[in-house]
Amino acid sequence: AQSVTQLGSHVSVSEGALVLLRCNYSSSVPPYLFWYVQYPNQGLQLLLKYTTGATLVKGINGFEAEFKKSETSFHLTKPSAHMSDAAEYFCAVSLTGGFKTIFGAGTRLFVKA
Amino acid sequence: KAGVTQTPRYLIKTRGQQVTLSCSPISGHRSVSWYQQTPGQGLQFLFEYFSETQRNKGNFPGRFSGRQFSNSRSEMNVSTLELGDSALYLCASSRDEGLNSPLHFGNGTRLTVT
Repeated sequence: AQSVTQLGSHVSVSEGALVLLRCNYSSSVPPYLFWYVQYPNQGLQLLLKYTTGATLVKGINGFEAEFKKSETSFHLTKPSAHMSDAAEYFCAVSLTGGFKTIFGAGTRLFVKA
Repeated sequence: KAGVTQTPRYLIKTRGQQVTLSCSPISGHRSVSWYQQTPGQGLQFLFEYFSETQRNKGNFPGRFSGRQFSNSRSEMNVSTLELGDSALYLCASSRDEGLNSPLHFGNGTRLTVT
């Protein structure tokens, strides 16, 4: 069965510092991978997705993620955090034939001034 | 293009009652998924509909049901409400070009059961 593990339910960084949010998946076949962001009292918005091809994926708001098959990881990074990045971030995976997307538990990002 | 619309935004019900939540997907999107979000359990998959057919269902009791209409609008129903059903219910639509088609979420319906 597919699953998604996000390491760290809370991450705190200073404004301008590197953001690194970790995601590992378990799947016997190559998955489709996504990162979503949720701001308070809102639904989720897509940040980026990996399907096939280039393993380094660029998303919105300066975020990017790298698919590493050997490590079954899809970590999300941003070189310089901004106060507006404070939100909850979800890693997600979907598999062919599954007709559903499974989400990790989420990581809440705090950005300190 | 209008986004995913969920109604109502907030709902307060009493244990034992039933509730119906509504979701209008983005125009042209044929797939609708429902998720329950709680602080303790995170995002839990409820079910997914495509062309009025339920294609997949999560591990929820039979009190949770849904349907999709010919215009792709979807409703979910929860009968005999329990306190533990208090949650944010999120609807998401996708164009269903394949599983690489991302989900577009509404802002959710926050259900409180007292």
